Amino acid sequence: EIVMTQSPATLSVSPGDRVTLSCRASQSISSHLAWYQQKPGQTPTFLVYDASTRALGVPARFSGSGSGTDFTLTISGLQSDDFAVYYCQQYHDWPLYTFGQGTKLEIK
Amino acid sequence: QVQMVASGGGVVQPGTSLRLSCVGSGFTFDSYTLHWVRQAPRKGLEWVTLISDDGLTKHYADSVKGRFNISRDNSKNTLFLEMNSLITEDTAVYYCVKGPRAAMFFNWFDPWGQGLQVTVSS
Repeated sequence: EIVMTQSPATLSVSPGDRVTLSCRASQSISSHLAWYQQKPGQTPTFLVYDASTRALGVPARFSGSGSGTDFTLTISGLQSDDFAVYYCQQYHDWPLYTFGQGTKLEIK
Repeated sequence: QVQMVASGGGVVQPGTSLRLSCVGSGFTFDSYTLHWVRQAPRKGLEWVTLISDDGLTKHYADSVKGRFNISRDNSKNTLFLEMNSLITEDTAVYYCVKGPRAAMFFNWFDPWGQGLQVTVSS
């Protein structure tokens, strides 16, 4: 099983900031990585696939990058609506799809 | 609008069974692999099981293998999860999710159903 490790667990940031979330795979997953956003009490929503391709309707301020084992999700110009938990998911090692434990963005 | 709408869930005792359902709409139901993903209280996301577009191939996480059964009725655009021999560790919110293609490999999850609370407690 590929273990996905996200860091940090919690990030305190201010609206308007630029923030970078990290996700590391325990072995190479090429670019087979997705990102999701989950707001409190809500269902996760799909943001990015293939490490860097935004899903339909996702604002351009969300940007994914990386390949192999190290990946990042950058959010530029944080808006109040962006404070949530973000999860990465690898789909390289199917069917054992695995998620990171999440990074929570909180308001400083 | 692509949508997954789930039903079922509830509070059950250890050792009992429960069935979850999920209706898909806004897409050609029998052309996609479908999954269940769960989230234990204050925990992250865990992939549980998948079923191929034709319903003939199924895969399970080790944590549920032999106890859970995924199935689908393509004539009714409905996905099911039969959960047997439930244990307290199965307590979680369960999401039905759609994959991006018919193939079972290289799947991300979109959209997600609204989530069903399953509580296993004596």
